Amino acid sequence: EPEVTQTPSHQVTQMGQEVILRCVPISNHLYFYWYRQILGQKVEFLVSFYNNEISEKSEIFDDQFSVERPDGSNFTLKIRSTKLEDSAMYFCASRLAGNEQFFGPGTRLTVL
Amino acid sequence: AQSVAQPEDQVNVAEGNPLTVKCTYSVSGNPYLFWYVQYPNRGLQFLLKYITGDNLVKGSYGFEAEFNKSQTSFHLKKPSALVSDSALYFCAVRATDSWGKLQFGAGTQVVVTP
Repeated sequence: EPEVTQTPSHQVTQMGQEVILRCVPISNHLYFYWYRQILGQKVEFLVSFYNNEISEKSEIFDDQFSVERPDGSNFTLKIRSTKLEDSAMYFCASRLAGNEQFFGPGTRLTVL
Repeated sequence: AQSVAQPEDQVNVAEGNPLTVKCTYSVSGNPYLFWYVQYPNRGLQFLLKYITGDNLVKGSYGFEAEFNKSQTSFHLKKPSALVSDSALYFCAVRATDSWGKLQFGAGTQVVVTP
């Protein structure tokens, strides 16, 4: 069964450094998402991406964040200058025209 | 604005007993409602959805959920719980006019004891 994959599973970085989180969505899916979950808190929507552009974003998704689908298979989330409060589990998700999203296993980002 | 509430942080149930996980929602327009389950160190797994039609929807692993428009609820149920059902359960809502953005509840930890 096809699934969403994410790399790395755990990323440790220093405050102020740039990180890129990678996702490979299910191959025929058209809509792509990033969510995050700070430890002990809700899963929060960050951004949705369709037809090579951002379709919707939350107030969390400020200028420090960007997304890209560079090669038709990968979907990346970049944080330009990480802050301590960016420490969280980041989930990628994708869907076809149907309504349910399929989630990856997540990348745990730790900012020191 | 849309929102989801899961009033119970944890639900404890004995194996073989019925399991109910509660969810209420608030959204403008008709809601799309979802349940996901998260096992330790795993991503969110889709269980079931309500879009339209029959108020009782059936999903994976023997789970079902009942949509109640008047009570704005979408409770998850399983007639006979298994120890392997122990996990974190999330209810989510999507507004019909969005690009698929899901609003999640805080999650309910289900503990099934043998």
